[in-house]
This record gives sequence, structure tokens and C-alpha cells, in this order.
Amino acid sequence: QQQVKQSPQSLIVQKGGISIINCAYENTAFDYFPWYQQFPGKGPALLIAIRPDVSEKKEGRFTISFNKSAKQFSLHIMDSQPGDSATYFCAASRGAGNNRKLIWGLGTSLGVNP
Amino acid sequence: DAGVIQSPRHEVTEMGQEVTLRCKPISGHDYLFWYRQTMMRGLELLIYFNNNVPIDDSGMPEDRFSAKMPNASFSTLKIQPSEPRDSAVYFCASSFAGKETQYFGPGTRLLVL
Repeated sequence: QQQVKQSPQSLIVQKGGISIINCAYENTAFDYFPWYQQFPGKGPALLIAIRPDVSEKKEGRFTISFNKSAKQFSLHIMDSQPGDSATYFCAASRGAGNNRKLIWGLGTSLGVNP
Repeated sequence: DAGVIQSPRHEVTEMGQEVTLRCKPISGHDYLFWYRQTMMRGLELLIYFNNNVPIDDSGMPEDRFSAKMPNASFSTLKIQPSEPRDSAVYFCASSFAGKETQYFGPGTRLLVL
């Protein structure tokens, strides 16, 4: 059962454009929502994360928008650059006790054309 | 800090052989995670440890897979016997108790012929 559904599977945008990746979750107990970025041949690395007490978080060109009622969150990459070409994963977890299990989306392969 | 260290980086073996993957977490981190990544199934959590104790091994596919963490600076993931369907990239990650961020190693690319 896929508890975090990510879309689209792949995305191609032009340099300078906006990249948008969406995720939907089912478990209302989730309270931590990170996005990880993975370049070919490397392990994933944390890009940005949000908790449900805020609706938006921005770090440079990267913004997470969070809609608690719809159980959805999305990653927006403004002014997309060729160097942003990577696979992006959303995830969610319920941070109770020593629980650190992240439930992962299946990933979005982003290509940014120069 | 050197980050999470995994060895070997690449492993090619024949079906039926034993495979051992190794991981050294970031010093001071007390959570350690083993993941498997394939095109079909994405990133799957196999098992994770807290203070060297396995917390959740529900992702371990079958008895052929086993993981140990004998001390805070070393963990192994063993596959015995290996099968072609085990071919994947295996990642180790670690985190500090006070933060959720997981730091991934470079991965071990396993090919079982």
C-alpha cells in the first residue's frame, strides 16, 4: 500500500521555468514532510522539510506548499536551472517516540533544458 | 566529517553466493537505516536501528536478508543466498536523535548474475 503518492513520475521544464511536484498522503498522523534530492550515482540528500503547523516554507528557490485539509504537499522550484536536474522524493513520517520511519513517494525525475 | 561510508561501492556476484554490505554511520548518530532502491519499487526501507537495536525490520524481504549492528560505528547487511532479483542499489543512512534528517551514504550497487 502506497501511503505517499507522488506525481508526476517525470517532468521536463525549460531553464527559468517553474517546476512543480505534488504529493498526497493518507495518514493524518504524519507530522513531518521532507523533500529529498538525488543526483545520479549519489544518495538522496535533504532539500527542504515542513511540519503541518505552517502552510508554506521557502528556502531560496525551493518552496514547500502544504494543504493539511487536502492532505497534500508540493515542491515548487522557481527559476529552474539545469543543475536542478535530479530525482526528487517526497516523504512523510510520524515522529512519535523513537519512530524515524519515513514513508517515501516513488520519485520524480526532473530534467531542466538549458 | 567524512559522512556515511559504505563498502563496497560495487559488487558483482553469482546467484547463490553470500553478499555482505558494510556501513559506517556518521560519528555521534544513533539511528542507522538500510534502504534498497530499484527502478520498479523506488526507495524501500529494509530495517533501521536505534542505539544499535533493531527497531523496525518489517521491510526485510525474506529470511535471506539479515542485518546487524554490533557497535555504534558499524553495521552489515547480509544476503545469503543471493538471487538475481536482489540486484539493486543499497543505501545506508544515519541520523541524530534530535533531528529527523537522514544522511545517506553513496550506496552499494549490487548485481547478482
